[in-house]
Amino acid sequence: GAVVSQHPSWVICKSGTSVKIECRSLDFQATTMFWYRQFPKQSLMLMATSNEGSKATYEQGVEKDKFLINHASLTLSTLTVTSAHPEDSSFYICSASPPLAVNEQFFGPGTRLTVL
Amino acid sequence: AQTVTQSQPEMSVQEAETVTLSCTYDTSESDYYLFWYKQPPSRQMILVIRQEAYKQQNATENRFSVNFQKAAKSFSLKISDSQLGDAAMYFCAYRSTETSGSRLTFGEGTQLTVNP
Repeated sequence: GAVVSQHPSWVICKSGTSVKIECRSLDFQATTMFWYRQFPKQSLMLMATSNEGSKATYEQGVEKDKFLINHASLTLSTLTVTSAHPEDSSFYICSASPPLAVNEQFFGPGTRLTVL
Repeated sequence: AQTVTQSQPEMSVQEAETVTLSCTYDTSESDYYLFWYKQPPSRQMILVIRQEAYKQQNATENRFSVNFQKAAKSFSLKISDSQLGDAAMYFCAYRSTETSGSRLTFGEGTQLTVNP
């Protein structure tokens, strides 16, 4: 099956710094990737839809300037949390759909972000 | 906008027994997909089963089956012969076929415990 990776799997940073999370589709090209945020014991909340070669589409309430998304290639999307604060601590998950299987999303293993 | 509701925050089942997880959704669309995802303690999202709304036959994957009631907008998951490895958080999800992209809308989740 299709494989999606994320790097890093966990990161700890100081308040005020920026953190970049990578999402890669390893064996397929993904024109669309999705970024989710998940708090403990809660569901996945879609943050934004990342489209290759164009600007990301953000969900209502998600700050575009704080969560920068770049989808520069068909296999890589990045999420940068700028000027991170403790309330940004969460589990971030990306997903992608292969072109010939747009009805299914394959999820990365997630990145746990802790902001001190 | 579509909504997905899982009314059972927690469920438990004895090993080898059968358990049913409930899910209801709200939509005005006629064609869509429904999914059940499993999230074990590793937090990797795993697709359990998928149902296409235009198919009347309920989807089945080994010990997992669904009861899809389109008119009632209900999509329950039955796990037969429960195993310890089935213990996880289960999410019901909806995907429209009428809007662009393949974004998923998730329910709140049901934490399933399997007792030996």
